[in-house]
Amino acid sequence: AQTVTQSQPEMSVQEAETVTLSCTYDTSENNYYLFWYKQPPSRQMILVIRQEAYKQQNATENRFSVNFQKAAKSFSLKISDSQLGDTAMYFCAFMKHVGVMAYGGAQKLVFGQGTRLTINP
Amino acid sequence: DAGVIQSPRHEVTEMGQEVTLRCKPISGHDYLFWYRQTMMRGLELLIYFNNNVPIDDSGMPEDRFSAKMPNASFSTLKIQPSEPRDSAVYFCASSLLGRGNEKLFFGSGTQLSVL
Repeated sequence: AQTVTQSQPEMSVQEAETVTLSCTYDTSENNYYLFWYKQPPSRQMILVIRQEAYKQQNATENRFSVNFQKAAKSFSLKISDSQLGDTAMYFCAFMKHVGVMAYGGAQKLVFGQGTRLTINP
Repeated sequence: DAGVIQSPRHEVTEMGQEVTLRCKPISGHDYLFWYRQTMMRGLELLIYFNNNVPIDDSGMPEDRFSAKMPNASFSTLKIQPSEPRDSAVYFCASSLLGRGNEKLFFGSGTQLSVL
């Protein structure tokens, strides 16, 4: 079974600083997807960034980027120029790859326990 | 698109009562997931459907929980009878998995409180 571990329950940085959130996972699969979701106080789960395991290049989305180390099974999220609106719980998640014609199977999205990030003014 | 729509946003009920949570997935999505979020256990997958058919319900805690998807645009999660330990936020999510679109879109969740 796949597991996802976020070792930092809470983090706090000043506005405009760069912060890195850690995530490690355990799997025997070779093809999979990794995600970072953000959950602000509004409770909405918002997709921040997505990485395909077969891609060498690290995914980036504006101020958000990842450091994907497949051999080490590590998937950290870097937030540059942090803003007050980045304050939220951040969840790392793993999904097993499925083929185009797949039906059923284990497409579960497995989440880590989350990191509570606070951006201070 | 309005996104995944869940109702109600909040539900307060007494122990022993039946509770029904509702979800409307994004139009065209063929996968629907029900998750539960608690402080102790985090986000847990309860059940998911593909083309309205339940694929994996191994996360459903016990027989008091049941989920249905009568058509592509509607799903329910029912708890009967409810217990205080069922208090949690219940999320519905939908997706078009297996087509290079592997990402889940979540609703705003239902905060359930069982007294």
